[in-house]
Amino acid sequence: NAGVTQTPKFQVLKTGQSMTLQCAQDMNHNSMYWYRQDPGMGLRLIYYSASEGTTDKGEVPNGYNVSRLNKREFSLRLESAAPSQTSVYFCASGRELLSYEQYFGPGTRLTVT
Amino acid sequence: GIQVEQSPPDLILQEGANSTLRCNFSDSVNNLQWFHQNPWGQLINLFYIPSGTKQNGRLSATTVATERYSLLYISSSQTTDSGVYFCAVVGAGGTSYGKLTFGQGTILTVHP
Repeated sequence: NAGVTQTPKFQVLKTGQSMTLQCAQDMNHNSMYWYRQDPGMGLRLIYYSASEGTTDKGEVPNGYNVSRLNKREFSLRLESAAPSQTSVYFCASGRELLSYEQYFGPGTRLTVT
Repeated sequence: GIQVEQSPPDLILQEGANSTLRCNFSDSVNNLQWFHQNPWGQLINLFYIPSGTKQNGRLSATTVATERYSLLYISSSQTTDSGVYFCAVVGAGGTSYGKLTFGQGTILTVHP
């Protein structure tokens, strides 16, 4: 099992450009999450999906959209990138929403200039 | 929302030493996890431990949910243990929606 995979690993964007971060899991998990990690801020939840077909905002959703394409895949889209979105983005999955272990992907390091 | 505090913020050890990392949380939890973030940035699951005690090789963890703290023990430390150790919890309150709330981490440096 590959676990949670993310693409790309690194990306540099100019302000105003758009891009989509891809995430897939092969553990048959229902819940999936997108977090961002900033220096001194820890990890913060951007969006989550409790199950296929549902998505909800986390604590820092502004400037992002998500799609739960199927049970395996959960993508994060930046429509118009801003320097404040420079961060490391992690995707995670868990069996169910509230009480199960979450597993993280390797991360995408995004720089917006 | 739930608050998570880790101590110490920094820890420097010689190889072979033992250490204890602490995580305090402000409310009841459904989930508590310990992670190691290695120098390449990967988050590695160490323990899923909302209560009780677990051991995995040189690492062990204990969570006392009624007193709202968890401890991570590292014995006979190795240079490969260096990195940042995070404690993260999912609060038991109705608004937690499965969100892991992370502490600020403990930066561990193990010298040969």
